[in-house]
Amino acid sequence: SQQGEEDPQALSIQEGENATMNCSYKTSINNLQWYRQNSGRGLVHLILIRSNEREKHSGRLRVTLDTSKKSSSLLITASRAADTASYFCATDAGGSYIPTFGRGTSLIVHP
Amino acid sequence: SAVISQKPSRDICQRGTSLTIQCQVDSQVTMMFWYRQQPGQSLTLIATANQGSEATYESGFVIDKFPISRPNLTFSTLTVSNLSPEDSSIYLCSVDRGDQNIQYFGAGTRLSVL
Repeated sequence: SQQGEEDPQALSIQEGENATMNCSYKTSINNLQWYRQNSGRGLVHLILIRSNEREKHSGRLRVTLDTSKKSSSLLITASRAADTASYFCATDAGGSYIPTFGRGTSLIVHP
Repeated sequence: SAVISQKPSRDICQRGTSLTIQCQVDSQVTMMFWYRQQPGQSLTLIATANQGSEATYESGFVIDKFPISRPNLTFSTLTVSNLSPEDSSIYLCSVDRGDQNIQYFGAGTRLSVL
């Protein structure tokens, strides 16, 4: 399966701290995406990184991709209580246009 | 981006009944997708719905249990039939606007089966 696996499953931090979550996958990919899901809501796309890219930034988000290790990390800097959510990585590979989602990391940011 | 309206947002149903979930998109899209998300779990793709053709179901999901309609390029429905408590989940629709495989999701339908 191409499914990514996030680590840790749960993360609890204080507001202002940085949050880092990781995603590992099994086979070569075209793209890797990160999504956020607030409780009881749908998923929202955060950032996409292509297989030939190593790092991307978007606001307080920083994503890295290491294709040799088949892993990615999502860093949220200066976290806020509003960042409390589940974060999922999703990968697509080969000719598939449908990303496969991991199990997610549940992030709680305490005010 | 895309605006996706999904309803109902939640429902409580009796065993043996069916629930139909609607998904309306603010613009025409070729591909619409239906997912199931069991509590604390990842998203599992149920099927892909193209307008004008039969939906394509993933392994473990069958049309008799999850019939899908796709009457036009902005609308789709998923019916969960013959409900059992094991069907209690969040059901999500999404679309692909052809933008690097980025998916845009509805808010989800939280189904509880008694």
